[in-house]
Amino acid sequence: DQQVKQNSPSLSVQEGRISILNCDYTNSMFDYFLWYKKYPAEGPTFLISISSIKDKNEDGRFTVFLNKSAKHLSLHIVPSQPGDSAVYFCAASDTGNQFYFGTGTSLTVIP
Amino acid sequence: DTGVSQDPRHKITKRGQNVTFRCDPISEHNRLYWYRQTLGQGPEFLTYFQNEAQLEKSRLLSDRFSAERPKGSFSTLEIQRTEQGDSAMYLCASSSASGQETQYFGPGTRLLVL
Repeated sequence: DQQVKQNSPSLSVQEGRISILNCDYTNSMFDYFLWYKKYPAEGPTFLISISSIKDKNEDGRFTVFLNKSAKHLSLHIVPSQPGDSAVYFCAASDTGNQFYFGTGTSLTVIP
Repeated sequence: DTGVSQDPRHKITKRGQNVTFRCDPISEHNRLYWYRQTLGQGPEFLTYFQNEAQLEKSRLLSDRFSAERPKGSFSTLEIQRTEQGDSAMYLCASSSASGQETQYFGPGTRLLVL
């Protein structure tokens, strides 16, 4: 039972443009959400998080938006750079103990 | 480097053999997590420790799997009588305190069972 879903397995974007990665969840008890970036043969690297009391969190080129009523969050990267090419995972938690991950979206930024 | 470290990075074994992986968390973190990731999937939670206490285990953690964190620092994950289906990346993560704390991952141990 996949509680966190990333329906787009891949995304290609031109360098300098905006990348938008989407994530949906089913558990209304989730109150903390994170995005991780993963390069091949490495562990996931934390990017940005958001608590359910907020609807937006920004850190440099990365912004996460949370729409609780739609149970949807998105990660915006602007401007996209070739070094952003990686697999992006969203994750959610209701207790802070166990995180549920989506299946990932592979982002390719084309120079 | 003060991040999460895992050893070995790669392990190839024959079906039926036992394997053990080690994770060293970030030193000030008292929570340690084990995940498994297979191709095309996100990390799946296996178990976590707060200090030396194992507080939660996933149903994915069969009887052949055992994890320990004897002194509340490093942790080991042992898989007995490995099966081909155990082939995966095993990830360790650590975090501090409780509640909404970010988990920081190690590089993982890639296991291949032949």
